[in-house]
Amino acid sequence: EAGVAQSPRYKIIEKRQSVAFWCNPISGHATLYWYQQILGQGPKLLIQFQNNGVVDDSQLPKDRFSAERLKGVDSTLKIQPAKLEDSAVYLCASSPGTGIAGDRGYTFGSGTRLTVV
Amino acid sequence: AQSVTQLGSHVSVSEGALVLLRCNYSSSVPPYLFWYVQYPNQGLQLLLKYTSAATLVKGINGFEAEFKKSETSFHLTKPSAHMSDAAEYFCAVSVRGSQGNLIFGKGTKLSVKP
Repeated sequence: EAGVAQSPRYKIIEKRQSVAFWCNPISGHATLYWYQQILGQGPKLLIQFQNNGVVDDSQLPKDRFSAERLKGVDSTLKIQPAKLEDSAVYLCASSPGTGIAGDRGYTFGSGTRLTVV
Repeated sequence: AQSVTQLGSHVSVSEGALVLLRCNYSSSVPPYLFWYVQYPNQGLQLLLKYTSAATLVKGINGFEAEFKKSETSFHLTKPSAHMSDAAEYFCAVSVRGSQGNLIFGKGTKLSVKP
């Protein structure tokens, strides 16, 4: 079974520029999550989709971050404009449903490492 | 609100020694608890989880953890460390009915000396 695919693996941009990350979840997984992992901290949930609808985006900085999940499959996360403090690893995860976290195949991708200079 | 505290950002052990990584949680309702491992430049891999069944949970790679409600702890142990265990370990909590969202601790980096 293919895992959660993310691209690019690395991205370096200047502050105030825009950037987009892409995530392809495991086939058939209805739920998709974006986490932000700042160096020295644990991952923090940014947004959760159930199919193509948003379940929770309470921690998404909506003035600069946006995310969409077209047709309930792939997802993109965008930052515009980027700030220095956005430097982090952005992790995508998917699961078959909205059951217990970590259960039923809750799987993380390898992440995109963003550096804002 | 739920939270997780991992004591010690860096733990170093000798190969063959006991591994003990500490995790305390805060939750007003019975939680689900998890340990994840992250190798450099990789995503998170589930080691084990507690979901209200047995309080002693066995996971992959010889790791286990014990849920102690009275101490609000979920410490991770392994009797004998191997060089390949060197990685960062994250404890996480999820609340029942929370749609599967995970709240992570800050992580503990485990080093294994030969």
